[in-house]
Amino acid sequence: SQTIHQWPATLVQPVGSPLSLECTVEGTSNPNLYWYRQAAGRGLQLLFYSVGIGQISSEVPQNLSASRPQDRQFILSSKKLLLSDSGFYLCAWGRVNTEAFFGQGTRLTVV
Amino acid sequence: EDQVTQSPEALRLQEGESSSLNCSYTVSGLRGLFWYRQDPGKGPEFLFTLYSAGEEKEKERLKATLTKKESFLHITAPKPEDSATYLCAGGYGGSQGNLIFGKGTKLSVKP
Repeated sequence: SQTIHQWPATLVQPVGSPLSLECTVEGTSNPNLYWYRQAAGRGLQLLFYSVGIGQISSEVPQNLSASRPQDRQFILSSKKLLLSDSGFYLCAWGRVNTEAFFGQGTRLTVV
Repeated sequence: EDQVTQSPEALRLQEGESSSLNCSYTVSGLRGLFWYRQDPGKGPEFLFTLYSAGEEKEKERLKATLTKKESFLHITAPKPEDSATYLCAGGYGGSQGNLIFGKGTKLSVKP
């Protein structure tokens, strides 16, 4: 069966520091991979998606970037965090026109 | 503009009191309507996928239905463990198969 791992679960970072969140998927190959952000009182916002290694599409211009160095690895990064980057970050995998499966999320607080 | 709207924002029920959650959508070329359950501090858990108007899916006390403009999540005789936020998402066409999420309905079931 497929599983998705996302870490860390919580993170407190100072403004201006770098960020690296990692997500890996097991039990499937060539999945679509997604990074979402969920802010209080708002729906899940798609940040990035990837249909293959090295292929990244950005949905929202921001202070973040994503990379997919391996088929089942997806990384969310920032060079310098802003206060507005705080939120709950979720990685997910899926196939075209089917359901997406989510990791357990990372609560990021920028102080 | 593609959009998914959920109502009500919050719903408080007594144990055993059945009700329905609404998800209306305006997604051009809808490719699936998805329901998720999200517990506090956790990633969304997939519940159902509906593809065609008239389709119904059931799981324990939950039943999801789909029309051409909206979807309903019916909860029959809920229990306190059904308390969670329920998210609805519309899949829109394209090679990516991305999802547009509503803001969710927070369900509280009191014993």
